[in-house]
This record gives sequence, C-alpha cells and structure tokens, in this order.
Amino acid sequence: DGGITQSPKYLFRKEGQNVTLSCEQNLNHDAMYWYRQDPGQGLRLIYYSQIVNDFQKGDIAEGYSVSREKKESFPLTVTSAQKNPTAFYLCASSIGQFSEKLFFGSGTQLSVL
Amino acid sequence: GQNIDQPTEMTATEGAIVQINCTYQTSGFNGLFWYQQHAGEAPTFLSYNVLDGLEEKGRFSSFLSRSKGYSYLLLKELQMKDSASYLCAVRDRGNTGKLIFGQGTTLQVKP
Repeated sequence: DGGITQSPKYLFRKEGQNVTLSCEQNLNHDAMYWYRQDPGQGLRLIYYSQIVNDFQKGDIAEGYSVSREKKESFPLTVTSAQKNPTAFYLCASSIGQFSEKLFFGSGTQLSVL
Repeated sequence: GQNIDQPTEMTATEGAIVQINCTYQTSGFNGLFWYQQHAGEAPTFLSYNVLDGLEEKGRFSSFLSRSKGYSYLLLKELQMKDSASYLCAVRDRGNTGKLIFGQGTTLQVKP
C-alpha cells in the first residue's frame, strides 16, 4: 500500500543536540511539507518542497533545516538553534503544490530532555 | 494578516447533528479544506470547497460562503468514533499553494 511514513514516533533531544526526523513517501508525489503542531495552535508550516533538489522556507523555518535529494524523502533536522523544539511534527505530501489534498504521516513527538 | 477562527471545543450527543464553524480572513483564497485528526494521529482529509455551496459526502457535509469568509462542517448521526479534532485550512492564493490552518476544534461525542 502507498503511504507516507514518519520515524521515529517519539524522539528525545538533549540540550545543544541536532536531531533528524525522517519522512518517506511512496506515493510518487512531487510536493512535500513539514508542519509543527503545538497544543491549542493550528499546524504551522516549517519548510516545503515542490520538486527534488528545491525547497522553500515556511512560516517558522528558523532553527530547522531540510534536504530533498530524492523524491521519496524529505528529512527535517531540528538544530540546537531551535530553542523550543517540543512539539508534534507532521510530514505531508501532495501530487503537486495545488493538489486538492495533503496526505499526512502519523507524526513524530519531539521532547527535550 | 492571515486569520482562521474555529471554536476550541464542542460537545455533542451520539446520534445527534453538530455544526463546526470556521471563519477566515486571508490575503487570498484558493480553496478551503476540512481535516479530521484523532489524538496523536495523522490528519485525514474530509472535504474541499472552492465554490460557494454545500458539498455532501455521506454523514459529513461542508459549506462555503466566500463573500462571508465562512465555512461549516456538518456531522450527522454522530458516532463515538467521531470524537476528534477538526481542522479548517485555507489555501492561499499565489504560487505557493500552501495551506493556512486554524487551531482546530476538539469534538467530544457523549453517549
């Protein structure tokens, strides 16, 4: 079955550490996105990529980095510069940037030790 | 600025009907989406409206009025499994196609 897979489900970060969240899709979608979800707030866009080897900053990109070396993969690195990283991170994909819907992964809960 | 408003929480009874409202003020508009999200899980797509009017899909319907910046999601014959958060999102006009999400409405269905 096609889908979008995030790993790990839970991740803990120590002070000063960079951590990388994995996102893989086998839907042959061109566009991929990373969102951050905090309690009581809507999903906020961190980064998005419309095509391989290209990505753009979203609304809250500071302290994060991404790469899009393969169509299937869009990993997100939470750097030590992100001072408040505790959140639920959702990866999504769509056929194209103007597609009718996004397909979401099951999310990664990141917490700070 | 960009603003999407939904009620934070709602409670309804099993078998009843509930309407979840969403109002938006965005710099552009290119469609409105509703997603359902159970706690700790991925949001799943429910509906998409780009023209005014009502879209019906089984027990769920979604309505849009672009002139009023208003949408609602109507859930009929509520079931316990409908207890979830419902996210309203607007696609911005322009070349990014990105979605702007509201805070979500947590619906609790009681027996």
